[in-house]
Amino acid sequence: GQQLNQSPQSMFIQEGEDVSMNCTSSSIFNTWLWYKQDPGEGPVLLIALYKAGELTSNGRLTAQFGITRKDSFLNISASIPSDVGIYFCAGRGMYSGGGADGLTFGKGTHLIIQP
Amino acid sequence: GAVVSQHPSWVICKSGTSVKIECRSLDFQATTMFWYRQFPKQSLMLMATSNEGSKATYEQGVEKDKFLINHASLTLSTLTVTSAHPEDSSFYICSVHPGLAGVNTGELFFGEGSRLTVL
Repeated sequence: GQQLNQSPQSMFIQEGEDVSMNCTSSSIFNTWLWYKQDPGEGPVLLIALYKAGELTSNGRLTAQFGITRKDSFLNISASIPSDVGIYFCAGRGMYSGGGADGLTFGKGTHLIIQP
Repeated sequence: GAVVSQHPSWVICKSGTSVKIECRSLDFQATTMFWYRQFPKQSLMLMATSNEGSKATYEQGVEKDKFLINHASLTLSTLTVTSAHPEDSSFYICSVHPGLAGVNTGELFFGEGSRLTVL
């Protein structure tokens, strides 16, 4: 089945620093989704990517769909305390794979910001 | 994006009792909804697909008699944890996929989640 590696697993940064995380897949994806989950809440969609090479921004967040279709990254610029949370990538395979919802989820990146 | 609401947001129950969690799609009709389980600091684990008007489809290893799913209308799916035990304590989340309703989007939208604690 499809495998999705998300890194880093956790990040401890200072407020104001930039953040970068990525996901790589063992197979080709045609959709990449990035979610943020706050403690005790459900995941909230941040950015959706549909084309190889696509670069999309949402405020201080920028995500790109890798040219090979097997990877994606999410950058956060000038981090602030409310950026704390868990960030998940999720991919939809080109042909099949993933769960019945069609998605394969990364294990998440825990972002912790020190004031 | 789609608006999905779950209720209750948290529930505490005694071992052996049953607990029902509701998932509502507030702004479009969802013929399909998904239920997930999430343990602390882990990713989402798909439990089952809730199908309006028909039986739910369960992922491998998920007990269908333990986790009863009912999708009686196009806007409501319920997950009932029957005879709950402490090991059933977890965070349960539902989602909807507007793309399955014909909307041109590949995105999945999640509810706020429901925290179940079984004593």
